[in-house]
Amino acid sequence: EAGVVQSPRYKIIEKKQPVAFWCNPISGHNTLYWYRQNLGQGPELLIRYENEEAVDDSQLPKDRFSAERLKGVDSTLKIQPAELGDSAVYLCASSLRDGAEAFFGQGTRLTVV
Amino acid sequence: AQSVTQLDSHVSVSEGTPVLLRCNYSSSYSPSLFWYVQHPNKGLQLLLKYTSAATMVKGINGFEAEFKKSETSFHLTKPSAHMSDAAEYFCVVSDSLKRTGANNLFFGTGTRLTVIP
Repeated sequence: EAGVVQSPRYKIIEKKQPVAFWCNPISGHNTLYWYRQNLGQGPELLIRYENEEAVDDSQLPKDRFSAERLKGVDSTLKIQPAELGDSAVYLCASSLRDGAEAFFGQGTRLTVV
Repeated sequence: AQSVTQLDSHVSVSEGTPVLLRCNYSSSYSPSLFWYVQHPNKGLQLLLKYTSAATMVKGINGFEAEFKKSETSFHLTKPSAHMSDAAEYFCVVSDSLKRTGANNLFFGTGTRLTVIP
């Protein structure tokens, strides 16, 4: 069974440019998470979806970040415009249901220069 | 409110000696607790989980963790460290918020385990 797939693995952009990350969760997993992991720190939740509904986006910086999960499957996370402080690893995870263990993708390492 | 405190940012052990990675949590409701491992340039992998069954939980690669409610702890142990255990370890709490049914995963800041040959 395929795991959580994220793309791209690495992205380098100039500040003020837009960037998008894509995530394909494990088939049948209703819950999808986006996390941001800064260097030397633990992942921090950005947004959580139950099917296509964003049930917790309280930590998402809505002035520049947006996310969607059309049809309750794949998800995209967008930053526009990117800032230097957005450099981090962006992790996508999915779980079978609310509260179950989450399975993580390998992440997208974003570098903003 | 829920949070996780990993008491050591870095632990160093010799190969073949025991490993102890400490984790304390705070939770308003009945928590689920997890340990994840992250090897360099790899994704997070679940080691083990506690979900209100047996308080001693066995995971992969010989790791175990004991849930102690009175101490609000969920320490990770392994009897004998192997070189391949060198990685970053994260303690994670998931609260069951009965009011909303919501469950988010909250990560600790991580403990870097170094294994000395």
